[in-house]
Amino acid sequence: EVQLVESGGGLVRPGGSLRLSCAASGFTFSNFDMTWVRQAPGKGLVWVSTISGSGHITYYADSVRGRFTISRDFSKNTVYLQMNSLRAEDTAVYHCAKVRGSSGWGAENWGQGTLVTVSS
Amino acid sequence: QSALTQPASVSGSPGQSITISCTGSSSDVGSYDYVSWYQQHPGKAPKLMIYGVSNRPSGVSDRFSGSKSGNTASLSISGLHTEDEADYYCSSLTSSSTLKFGGGTKLTVL
Repeated sequence: EVQLVESGGGLVRPGGSLRLSCAASGFTFSNFDMTWVRQAPGKGLVWVSTISGSGHITYYADSVRGRFTISRDFSKNTVYLQMNSLRAEDTAVYHCAKVRGSSGWGAENWGQGTLVTVSS
Repeated sequence: QSALTQPASVSGSPGQSITISCTGSSSDVGSYDYVSWYQQHPGKAPKLMIYGVSNRPSGVSDRFSGSKSGNTASLSISGLHTEDEADYYCSSLTSSSTLKFGGGTKLTVL
């Protein structure tokens, strides 16, 4: 059974940093792209970033490019999202998801998410 | 990056059929057969219902179907059940190698 468990969220001041983690199990980790999607309270889904199965290729939304970095650790089957220069508008629940192969980044398994609150 | 356009809400009675549209542009929906649809119940993680415009993951009811014409994709649900009441989101890969979501549609089953 695929399991994705996010952690690392919390309250941070504007300009601060956080690193989110997503521990994956139940599938061959290196075979799948992984993605982060966020959802502000009461709002819709917004794509943040995707990393290829190999970890060599990364993609970012314009709103986070240059501030956020996605990476993966194959020894720990974990995906990370390093978030720097955080802004109030980054406040959201952050979900990691496993991408279905050859689906154009269709996210077939999701974690429950971790809440990031950016506030002074 | 502007979101894909979905109606804010749709409604139907149990047993009826509804369709939710998702309008993009020639740079996203119109360019690729990479439209996905998600169902999200309150307080829950999204669930993939359709990928690649019209493909259902295993375990998803065949009452759910997807299609596309030009820059607009559609999700149809037949034989509405009360448990279908949820928020629905479309997404599409773009020519800029990014992913766009729609703004979401609240389905009410009356």
